[in-house]
Amino acid sequence: DIVMTQSPDSLAVSLGERATINCKSSQSVLYSSNNKNYLAWYQQKPGQPPKLLIYWASTRESGVPDRFSGSGSGTDFTLTISSLEAEDVAVYYCQQYYDSPYTFGQGTKLEIE
Amino acid sequence: EVQLVESGGGLVQPGGSLRLSCAASGFTFTRYWMHWVRQVPGRGLVWVSRINTDGTNTNYADSVKGRFTISRDNAKNTLYLQMNSLRVDDTAVYYCARAEGGPYEFDIWGQGTMVTVSS
Repeated sequence: DIVMTQSPDSLAVSLGERATINCKSSQSVLYSSNNKNYLAWYQQKPGQPPKLLIYWASTRESGVPDRFSGSGSGTDFTLTISSLEAEDVAVYYCQQYYDSPYTFGQGTKLEIE
Repeated sequence: EVQLVESGGGLVQPGGSLRLSCAASGFTFTRYWMHWVRQVPGRGLVWVSRINTDGTNTNYADSVKGRFTISRDNAKNTLYLQMNSLRVDDTAVYYCARAEGGPYEFDIWGQGTMVTVSS
């Protein structure tokens, strides 16, 4: 199984500041035949289901604000929120869909400082 | 409106069975792989199972293999999860989610249904 490890487990950032969440996979999720990283980021607010933010490691889902961006390749990935807003308070998960089981990271709780 | 609506959750005793349903609407159901993901309240997301577009291929997490069965009825636009030999550690919110036509991101999720296994 591919193990996904996020860091940090929790993060407090001031409004308007940058937030960075890291995700590391135990093996590469880059598929060489199409040069795509099978890595997604989700946001989950209390009492709600997860919401897709980023797929293919760096493609923003339609309707997601452009302050959210994803980067990385192979085994190391980053979700960046360029200027934190109050509505961004949530738990963020990375997930690999390269191979079954389609594992998630343990989650990073983002709060306002 | 694109929507997934789960139902069938509830309280069941250890060793019991339950069948979850996920009704899809607003999109072409047959174009999508479908997944079940569960989450213990206050904990992280755990992938459970997936089924391909025509129901001929399935995968399961090791923790549920041999006890849970995923299926779909494309005529009814509905996904199912038959859960047998339930254990206390199966207690969770169960979400269904879709992924377009293959191993892709989960772009739409249902609101979830709570399953509680307790004596």
